[in-house]
Amino acid sequence: TQLLEQSPQFLSIQEGENLTVYCNSSSVFSSLQWYRQEPGEGPVLLVTVVTGGEVKKLKRLTFQFGDARKDSSLHITAAQPGDTGLYLCAGGRGSGSEKLVFGKGMKLTVNP
Amino acid sequence: DAGITQSPRHKVTETGTPVTLRCHQTENHRYMYWYRQDPGHGLRLIHYSYGVKDTDKGEVSDGYSVSRSKTEDFLLTLESATSSQTSVYFCAISVFGTGTSGNTIYFGEGSWLTVV
Repeated sequence: TQLLEQSPQFLSIQEGENLTVYCNSSSVFSSLQWYRQEPGEGPVLLVTVVTGGEVKKLKRLTFQFGDARKDSSLHITAAQPGDTGLYLCAGGRGSGSEKLVFGKGMKLTVNP
Repeated sequence: DAGITQSPRHKVTETGTPVTLRCHQTENHRYMYWYRQDPGHGLRLIHYSYGVKDTDKGEVSDGYSVSRSKTEDFLLTLESATSSQTSVYFCAISVFGTGTSGNTIYFGEGSWLTVV
């Protein structure tokens, strides 16, 4: 059972466009993390949100944690070719072991 | 990269042979993890460790064993490799945060395993 559903799974857009990727679950998480992964490399953490309703910004990326802590979104403004990659969301339960549950990811291609 | 090194980075092995993947960290973090990543499934936890000789199963642990005899090394063993274990394997460590920062998970660069 996939606890975290990401949508869309694939997206190909032109440079300069905006996009939003969603991460949804029926479960409550204590934290929600977003990662970006490039081919041949491991995922790299972009942000962690821990409070319901929290919004964090990282340059052109805006992350939001749902009020009920069951969902999250990532919005990219004016996408650049360098944003191309696999975007993964992961939910944490808050225990010390931090066993994350990952979504399947959204593969983004930004064409110049 | 939080000082994580995986070896080997690439390996081709035959069905039925044992395979061991090594994860080495240089910063004495307590928690270490092994994930596998497959198309259509995303990242799935195989085993994790919360200290020397303390390990536990993840969601896809069948066919895998782990050992952690030293803080810095976490070994993943496929006792008898099968084609279904062809995958990319990632080691990760957890660095505890405070307040609103949460914990940070750092991943290694991955080990590509092909079982033929």
